Amino acid sequence: QVQLVESGGGVVQPGRSLRLSCETSGFIFSDFGVHWVRHTPGKGLEWVAVTWYDGKNEYYADSVKGRFSVSRDNSKNTLFLQMDSLRAEDTATYYCVRGTGYAFAYFDFWGQGTLVTVSS
Amino acid sequence: DIHMTQSPSSLSASVGDRVTITCQANQDISTNLNWYQQKPGKPPKLLISDASNLERGVPPRFTGSGSGTDFIFAITSLQPEDIATYYCQLYETLPPRFTFGPGTKVGIK
Repeated sequence: QVQLVESGGGVVQPGRSLRLSCETSGFIFSDFGVHWVRHTPGKGLEWVAVTWYDGKNEYYADSVKGRFSVSRDNSKNTLFLQMDSLRAEDTATYYCVRGTGYAFAYFDFWGQGTLVTVSS
Repeated sequence: DIHMTQSPSSLSASVGDRVTITCQANQDISTNLNWYQQKPGKPPKLLISDASNLERGVPPRFTGSGSGTDFIFAITSLQPEDIATYYCQLYETLPPRFTFGPGTKVGIK
């Protein structure tokens, strides 16, 4: 069965960095785009970034552009999110999500999420 | 930029009632709209893609309709297990961009 398992969350001070990982199984990782989506109780869901199936294209939400970087290792079926210059408003649960369909726009399988708290 | 409004922000209905949620875009997005259900402490679940296509395994009491700027999501007969927050999500392809609506929290009276 399809599985996505995030790790790397925790408490970090503003301005510092954090790297999230997402290990996947149960599907051909290199055939799919994979996204990061975050959730906060107050603001709801926010799409963060996507990497194309071959890792050659990446796209970001304006709120994280220039600070976050998404990458993938297709040999290890793993997705990454490098988060730099973290801000309090980046506090959220971060989900790794498989995208399918045109432009990988259907978010059909989600991990359980990893909590990132940005606080001094 | 394309913006989405979603209403209502919350609602409460009785078991068996028909419940409707609307999403409106500020420009034509064809049928590039999906609907998700999120229960507390759980990741979201894709229910409907491209405005009206029910995902495999999703009960037929969930329906979606609309195109252009106005979209409707309905639960034709509300069940206790439908307590959740529902989100619409639009997608753009050039360049790829994905925007969620603010969500509608559905409760039982």
